[in-house]
Amino acid sequence: KNQVEQSPQSLIILEGKNCTLQCNYTVSPFSNLRWYKQDTGRGPVSLTIMTFSENTKSNGRYTATLDADTKQSSLHITASQLSDSASYICVVSDRGSTLGRLYFGRGTQLTVWP
Amino acid sequence: EADIYQTPRYLVIGTGKKITLECSQTMGHDKMYWYQQDPGMELHLIHYSYGVNSTEKGDLSSESTVSRIRTEHFPLTLESARPSHTSQYLCASSEERDWEKLFFGSGTQLSVL
Repeated sequence: KNQVEQSPQSLIILEGKNCTLQCNYTVSPFSNLRWYKQDTGRGPVSLTIMTFSENTKSNGRYTATLDADTKQSSLHITASQLSDSASYICVVSDRGSTLGRLYFGRGTQLTVWP
Repeated sequence: EADIYQTPRYLVIGTGKKITLECSQTMGHDKMYWYQQDPGMELHLIHYSYGVNSTEKGDLSSESTVSRIRTEHFPLTLESARPSHTSQYLCASSEERDWEKLFFGSGTQLSVL
């Protein structure tokens, strides 16, 4: 079973609307959680990082939250644009990890329609 | 925009051929990685490197090999490609002090017929 689960698997919204993507994890001990954006035909790009002590962090129209107690994170996108169409991947690292030990979710495929 | 480059972007080859996927980065990162990505699935680590002359196998069993003769270059080689190798291959790098932040190339989409 994957230690990082994302929902929904896919999502279609209209331009200008808001949406929220979810990431639940079981990775322990927890170090940090990153959200990546992957455009079609491109590699993932880091959007934001959440550490254990952080509850919320914003990066423009993207706001990430973290509840370390329930092991849940969300990525909220405000006033969506066509360019937000992409896959959003949640990645969790564990405190005891060796180099390269990251846990990837399968991503949420977001499509923004005009 | 990350300074990490992969070539070719797309490759279609026949079974049994030997191929090398190229990856280069100009950021001076010591750590480099190869991931395999299939549609709708999570990324799987197949190889990584701490630095020059250092290579390790990742979590996913792979018939590929890698080399790290120069800091900026981390090629992946398949000696005999098979249809099961059809996938997207992503190269990434990271710096020592923030190794968990990966910078990815645009990937190579490999199709083996």
